Amino acid sequence: EPEVTQTPSHQVTQMGQEVILRCVPISNHLYFYWYRQILGQKVEFLVSFYNNEISEKSEIFDDQFSVERPDGSNFTLKIRSTKLEDSAMYFCASSVWVNIQYFGAGTRLSVL
Amino acid sequence: KNQVEQSPQSLIILEGKNCTLQCNYTVSPFSNLRWYKQDTGRGPVSLTIMTFSENTKSNGRYTATLDADTKQSSLHITASQLSDSASYICVVSADSNYQLIWGAGTKLIIKP
Repeated sequence: EPEVTQTPSHQVTQMGQEVILRCVPISNHLYFYWYRQILGQKVEFLVSFYNNEISEKSEIFDDQFSVERPDGSNFTLKIRSTKLEDSAMYFCASSVWVNIQYFGAGTRLSVL
Repeated sequence: KNQVEQSPQSLIILEGKNCTLQCNYTVSPFSNLRWYKQDTGRGPVSLTIMTFSENTKSNGRYTATLDADTKQSSLHITASQLSDSASYICVVSADSNYQLIWGAGTKLIIKP
């Protein structure tokens, strides 16, 4: 069964460093999303992406964040200068339409 | 303000027993309601999705109900198994909006 894959599974970085989280969505999907989940808290929407541009973003998704689909398969989330409070699980999701979103297993980001 | 509230926060039941999880929402205009299962450290997996006109939807031992008038939904799990131990998250989508409003989840523990 096709699945969304995310790499790495765990990323440790120093505060102030840039990180890139990678996702390979399901191949025929058209909509792509990033979410984050701080330990013990709700899943929070970050951004949705369609037709090579951001379709919606939350207030969390400030200038420190960017997304890119550099080729036909990868979808990346970049955090320019990480802060301690960026430590969380980051989930990528994709969907054919805006109905059923399939989630990856997540990347645990630890900012030290 | 668009919100999704779930109860109980956590629930412990014995293997083989049934249980029902609750979700109340104040999302307008309403598009659809989803139930996700999230195993610890994993991404959410969709169980059911219901639109305004649907009252009940089943997926194996999971049955979701929706009352769009009272803005309530429930997820009933029949004959629970140890593998049902997870967080169950109610998510509501507003009309013509990519953004999903997430509940905090109910943490379900099944004991042998």
